[in-house]
Amino acid sequence: DAGITQSPRHKVTETGTPVTLRCHQTENHRYMYWYRQDPGHGLRLIHYSYGVKDTDKGEVSDGYSVSRSKTEDFLLTLESATSSQTSVYFCAISEQVGYEQYFGPGTRLTVT
Amino acid sequence: KNEVEQSPQNLTAQEGEFITINCSYSVGISALHWLQQHPGGGIVSLFMLSSGKKKHGRLIATINIQEKHSSLHITASHPRDSAVYICAVGESNYQLIWGAGTKLIIKP
Repeated sequence: DAGITQSPRHKVTETGTPVTLRCHQTENHRYMYWYRQDPGHGLRLIHYSYGVKDTDKGEVSDGYSVSRSKTEDFLLTLESATSSQTSVYFCAISEQVGYEQYFGPGTRLTVT
Repeated sequence: KNEVEQSPQNLTAQEGEFITINCSYSVGISALHWLQQHPGGGIVSLFMLSSGKKKHGRLIATINIQEKHSSLHITASHPRDSAVYICAVGESNYQLIWGAGTKLIIKP
């Protein structure tokens, strides 16, 4: 299994509070992704990174920001959480865009 | 219309049956991916293919580039095959486009 961890694995937070999710990889892959998964929807890309300090938006980026200061870490921040951001968040990595992606275990976030 | 369509959305079968899950896409691609998501939530890549057929154990994936269609087959299905199977397509230098998934339940 690819070395990808996510923290926390579960979090409950209140509307309006900031939340940061962390993805850590030990594979030295260039690309890292944040997805959300909701019932009735496929995986939806929030943001991705193609290198240290290089990030770009996905299809559902509103309300989210990301940072990548080291190859191994990719952070997803909800500046002011809303109930619509209740979801399961997955981090993934790949060597190149369009190549096979390896997924972390997911973080279940509940915003009350 | 979604760019990646999977069918069926849900499939229930008896142990031992031959299973087929379909994926159709409308964009030009360089590769198609099949992934599996178990009830526990973990997502695992099964296949990445750009032509022909690949086999791994009881799983077989085929792709027809001209028809823009791929199938995932499971032979001698088993309850442990119960999962959501996800199709995704990609073009070089572009992000993957994801299907909504097919939920498979295999009854003993």
